[in-house]
Amino acid sequence: NAGVTQTPKFQVLKTGQSMTLQCAQDMNHEYMSWYRQDPGMGLRLIHYSVGAGITDQGEVPNGYNVSRSTTEDFPLRLLSAAPSQTSVYFCASRGSGGQGGYNEQFFGPGTRLTVL
Amino acid sequence: GQQLNQSPQSMFIQEGEDVSMNCTSSSIFNTWLWYKQDPGEGPVLLIALYKAGELTSNGRLTAQFGITRKDSFLNISASIPSDVGIYFCAGLGSGNTGKLIFGQGTTLQVKP
Repeated sequence: NAGVTQTPKFQVLKTGQSMTLQCAQDMNHEYMSWYRQDPGMGLRLIHYSVGAGITDQGEVPNGYNVSRSTTEDFPLRLLSAAPSQTSVYFCASRGSGGQGGYNEQFFGPGTRLTVL
Repeated sequence: GQQLNQSPQSMFIQEGEDVSMNCTSSSIFNTWLWYKQDPGEGPVLLIALYKAGELTSNGRLTAQFGITRKDSFLNISASIPSDVGIYFCAGLGSGNTGKLIFGQGTTLQVKP
């Protein structure tokens, strides 16, 4: 298993540009989440999904969109990038507790985004 | 909403010393997870706890699920330089809504 994969690893955008951060998992996990990590701020939840076709907002959803058309993929879209969105973005997935892995959540390697 | 208080925020210790950090919550959790994050990497799961009172070890790491279900601690024995990093606790409440609640992290530095 590749686990949780994210692309790209690094990205530089200009203010106002849009882009999609990709996330995929091959563990057949139901739950997927997007976090951003800023210095001294810990991990803040942007959006999450409890299954294909179902998404919900986390604590910092503004400026981001998500969709979950398949179990495997959970892309994060920046609609109009702003300097405040400069951050490290982590995707994560976990099972529902009935798949032998209980509630263990696994993270991807991260995407480092700079908005100029 | 649910919040986790993780302490201490940072620690600077001598190699060989033992380390202890903890997380407390005003809410009950059914699952506690402890992660370590190395610089430039994603968090890696260290230990998962599922029952109140449970004590689980992973090498030099030991974590416990508090009996009240509102706290958890992580101990590292005989620290080594590669223990350096940020340690996060995370809790999952009842209802399995999909949202893990994370502590703010403990930054550990180890002096050789």
